[in-house]
Amino acid sequence: AQKVTQAQTEISVVEKEDVTLDCVYETRDTTYYLFWYKQPPSGELVFLIRRNSFDEQNEISGRYSWNFQKSTSSFNFTITASQVVDSAVYFCALSERDGGSRLTFGEGTQLTVNP
Amino acid sequence: DVKVTQSSRYLVKRTGEKVFLECVQDMDHENMFWYRQDPGLGLRLIYFSYDVKMKEKGDIPEGYSVSREKKERFSLILESASTNQTSMYLCASSLWLSYNEQFFGPGTRLTVL
Repeated sequence: AQKVTQAQTEISVVEKEDVTLDCVYETRDTTYYLFWYKQPPSGELVFLIRRNSFDEQNEISGRYSWNFQKSTSSFNFTITASQVVDSAVYFCALSERDGGSRLTFGEGTQLTVNP
Repeated sequence: DVKVTQSSRYLVKRTGEKVFLECVQDMDHENMFWYRQDPGLGLRLIYFSYDVKMKEKGDIPEGYSVSREKKERFSLILESASTNQTSMYLCASSLWLSYNEQFFGPGTRLTVL
């Protein structure tokens, strides 16, 4: 069965610091998809990125970057020069090919960026 | 702008009451999902549906049922609410294939007294 682990329950940083959120996954499928979502205080989860298992290229979008490493079954998320607006709960999730977009979520990491 | 809406943001019910949580999406998505979110446990899937009148159990279906009579609407039913069902409930929808992201509603915070 698939599993996603986010070992960091809470992280607190000061504005402008870089921060990395860890995500480790388990799956027996060779084709799968990894996602990151952001949940701001308003509560609605917002999709950030999707990666498929055949694409190990790192992705950068502005201050956000993602590092996917199949060898360690990890899909880590880095925020560069963090801002107060980045404060949120971040979830990593996994979808398997035959799962019909059914997601398995990690426990979430609460990120607090202090001014 | 794509939208998933949920009928209530906050709901307070008494033990033993029947509770309906409604979710509507306007994106013509095949799949719809109900999750509950609890601190330290992340999001756990209660039920999902990949077509009208179809439903599949998720990881924690006990104490819940669902209804999908129309493609755009997916209802979660608590037949007899209990205090351990106090939680945040999130609805989501997506296109069928597994690589598609899910779109989430704002959530309903349910308190059962």
